[in-house]
Amino acid sequence: DTEVTQTPKHLVMGMTNKKSLKCEQHMGHRAMYWYKQKAKKPPELMFVYSYEKLSINESVPSRFSPECPNSSLLNLHLHALQPEDSALYLCASSQGLGGSYEQYFGPGTRLTVT
Amino acid sequence: QQQVKQSPQSLIVQKGGISIINCAYENTAFDYFPWYQQFPGKGPALLIAIRPDVSEKKEGRFTISFNKSAKQFSLHIMDSQPGDSATYFCAASVTVSGSARQLTFGSGTQLTVLP
Repeated sequence: DTEVTQTPKHLVMGMTNKKSLKCEQHMGHRAMYWYKQKAKKPPELMFVYSYEKLSINESVPSRFSPECPNSSLLNLHLHALQPEDSALYLCASSQGLGGSYEQYFGPGTRLTVT
Repeated sequence: QQQVKQSPQSLIVQKGGISIINCAYENTAFDYFPWYQQFPGKGPALLIAIRPDVSEKKEGRFTISFNKSAKQFSLHIMDSQPGDSATYFCAASVTVSGSARQLTFGSGTQLTVLP
């Protein structure tokens, strides 16, 4: 099983709202990732968690706040977003140290900021 | 040095034909080269991958050819089918922070297979 699940599938929010995206995997992976993907572009890395600790933040604005409550869950808290933040937000996971290199993506959350 | 260059940007192939997508990289620290297939509105799906100590890997109709000295790799889709119509991303990855893997993606190829 190589499934990464994401909820919700779609989200519409105003610029003053606070919302959260959720990601879950039960493959025992110890590295988890958030990506942002605009139309017709490749995914752009936002955050990397390794063993539940934030290890990479690709200079993402503070209106995006990641959280890793445990090894299976990854959240992305959203606050005061801008219309240009509308995109497909993808979560991914990989095994971690000593494991295989495959990185598996979830189906994404389509976010629209109005 | 982190860039992965992908070509062509778009590709139209007749059903039954061979689709070929090419990628090139600069960073010799990359040690894993996956290809992802993405359908509209879906997340990228891992299609096939190769490590630089292997020159070719085949899985069904999909083959990766890898040229380490030229720092190039390519995806060949044999007997292309309309269901293969999707966007294909090559990528290269390297370990960061002791355990996580950082993927660097190519710009993507929009493949259309005509019936």
